[in-house]
Amino acid sequence: GAVVSQHPSRVICKSGTSVKIECRSLDFQATTMFWYRQFPKQSLMLMATSNEGSKATYEQGVEKDKFLINHASLTLSTLTVTSAHPEDSSFYICSASPGTFSYEQYFGPGTRLTVT
Amino acid sequence: GQQLNQSPQSMFIQEGEDVSMNCTSSSIFNTWLWYKQDPGEGPVLLIALYKAGELTSNGRLTAQFGITRKDSFLNISASIPSDVGIYFCAGQLPSGSARQLTFGSGTQLTVLP
Repeated sequence: GAVVSQHPSRVICKSGTSVKIECRSLDFQATTMFWYRQFPKQSLMLMATSNEGSKATYEQGVEKDKFLINHASLTLSTLTVTSAHPEDSSFYICSASPGTFSYEQYFGPGTRLTVT
Repeated sequence: GQQLNQSPQSMFIQEGEDVSMNCTSSSIFNTWLWYKQDPGEGPVLLIALYKAGELTSNGRLTAQFGITRKDSFLNISASIPSDVGIYFCAGQLPSGSARQLTFGSGTQLTVLP
């Protein structure tokens, strides 16, 4: 149980284009989903918290117009990197939290984004 | 933001040895979670702790929620090659919003044959 998928696993795009990453909870409903960014050999950096049916809450320093988050259903959240630049190249990971009283987060396998 | 001090940063051990790593903070946490991350993958939840003093096992893994609620440790017994990876602690603050977690910096474990 508690499986989270992410698609695509890897994506290479040209500078200036936009990329959409999907995060799905496969066997549970996720009231809240989270988007993280991870640089090599570093910990996870929270970018935003996404609640179903409402606007995402972004962490300080994360541009909401550049990293568009949509959480349209209890099993799907999407992150769109708009007008991508090489400095946006990173490992993006989503997580989902299943219940009101549970603080456990279950992570997707991550998406490796490379912007050329 | 709040910081979790995780140590050691890296460990090199022989197969069969026991391993211990810990996280400390100046703040009180409501929940402690331990994750393992393999290269190029997302973290996998190993153990969740919800009460101060709680000691929980998952196979060869044992974790404890410190009695002061400011620390937690993870022990791995009889290490095997597949234990290689990065281990992260994560905590949920009482004042934290929307179930956000604060992550430690990670412990890179290498198991030598």
